Amino acid sequence: KQEVTQIPAALSVPEGENLVLNCSFTDSAIYNLQWFRQDPGKGLTSLLLIQSSQREQTSGRLNASLDKSSGRSTLYIAASQPGDSATYLCAVLSGNTPLVFGKGTRLSVIA
Amino acid sequence: DAGVIQSPRHEVTEMGQEVTLRCKPISGHDYLFWYRQTMMRGLELLIYFNNNVPIDDSGMPEDRFSAKMPNASFSTLKIQPSEPRDSAVYFCASSPQGYEQYFGPGTRLTVT
Repeated sequence: KQEVTQIPAALSVPEGENLVLNCSFTDSAIYNLQWFRQDPGKGLTSLLLIQSSQREQTSGRLNASLDKSSGRSTLYIAASQPGDSATYLCAVLSGNTPLVFGKGTRLSVIA
Repeated sequence: DAGVIQSPRHEVTEMGQEVTLRCKPISGHDYLFWYRQTMMRGLELLIYFNNNVPIDDSGMPEDRFSAKMPNASFSTLKIQPSEPRDSAVYFCASSPQGYEQYFGPGTRLTVT
């Protein structure tokens, strides 16, 4: 059974700092991995999707990497801004099961 | 496109009452998913449909929960009778091919 873990559960950084969020998964036979953003009281917004054949995806200040063999993904946020404050969730699609989510990392960027 | 639409956005009800949550997926999406999110358990898949047919309902917690998708543009999640431990945010998501999901804003359910 696929399990997804995100560390740390919460992170607070000063504005302008570069940061890395971590995601690990137990079954490396995945189709893809997605990073989502969730603002308080809102739904999830897809940020990046990495196919199993890819090693990274970039969108603006965000870069997501995937290492299938070690069961790890990272989300790198460059030059963080207060508007980046949100919960970031990692989700993995594998086998015949739909997305399995981690519990998220709650990020606070302090001005 | 308006995205995934869920109603109501907030629901407060008393224990024992029936609750119906509604979802309109993005037009053309063949997959529809129902999730429940709590602080303790995070985001959990309850059930998903492909072309209006339930594929996997193993996440439905009890017989008190039921879901239907009578057509491609509408789905309901019903809880009868509701209990305080059902309090959570319920999300609906749709997907064109099952790989990338688009989430609705959620329904916050409080059962007193």
